[in-house]
Amino acid sequence: AQTVTQSQPEMSVQEAETVTLSCTYDTSESNYYLFWYKQPPSRQMILVIRQEAYKQQNATENRFSVNFQKAAKSFSLKISDSQLGDTAMYFCAFLQGAQKLVFGQGTRLTINP
Amino acid sequence: GAVVSQHPSRVICKSGTSVKIECRSLDFQATTMFWYRQFPKQSLMLMATSNEGSKATYEQGVEKDKFLINHASLTLSTLTVTSAHPEDSSFYICSARDSGRYTDTQYFGPGTRLTVL
Repeated sequence: AQTVTQSQPEMSVQEAETVTLSCTYDTSESNYYLFWYKQPPSRQMILVIRQEAYKQQNATENRFSVNFQKAAKSFSLKISDSQLGDTAMYFCAFLQGAQKLVFGQGTRLTINP
Repeated sequence: GAVVSQHPSRVICKSGTSVKIECRSLDFQATTMFWYRQFPKQSLMLMATSNEGSKATYEQGVEKDKFLINHASLTLSTLTVTSAHPEDSSFYICSARDSGRYTDTQYFGPGTRLTVL
C-alpha cells in the first residue's frame, strides 16, 4: 500500500522568508499524481499545487514550487516570500489510478510577522 | 480551480436524530465523490467513496448503516448520519473528483461541523 510521510509536524518562519516542507512517499507504481493541499484555520482544503509523475519538470504556481525527485520518492514544497496568509496545515497527498488519495500527517506552518 | 459546495456548514442536533449533509460539484461533473472525517489536529480519514449510480464503498471500520451515502447525480452526493450520538460529533469533509482527460484532482468542500448533544 502507498504511504505518505511528512516528517515535520510543525514549522515556523518569519514573513518574507522562504520555507520548504518535506514529503516522502512509497509506491511501486510509475504513474501517479502528487498534491499539496493547504488547510487554513477556516478548515477549507485548498489545492496548492499538483505534479504528474511522468513530468520531469517541477510544478510551479506563483510563490509555490515543488522539488519532485522521483527516484528518491520525494516531493517537497517550497514557499517563497512567505505571507501571513500562508499560515495553515499543509498536507501532502498521493493519488494513483482510480484509487483514493493518501494523505500525509500534515505540517503546521506558522508565518510570523 | 473547481468549486465544491457543502451544506450545511454547521449543524447541532439531539442524540438519536438523523442529519443529512449535501456535497455538490458546482462547475464540473463528478462520477466519484469522497467523504472524510477529520478529528482536531489530525489528517483526513476517508470514510467512503461515493460513486454515481452505484453503492458507496466504505472503508474498514465505517458503519455503512450509520453513514448512509447517496450519489444520485453527477453533481450531488449526500451523507446521512443516522441516529447520531455524541461520538459522531466531528468535522466532515467531502471532495469531488475531477477526472477529465488532462486532470485527476480532488477538490474539497468547506466542511460541515456536526455537534451531537
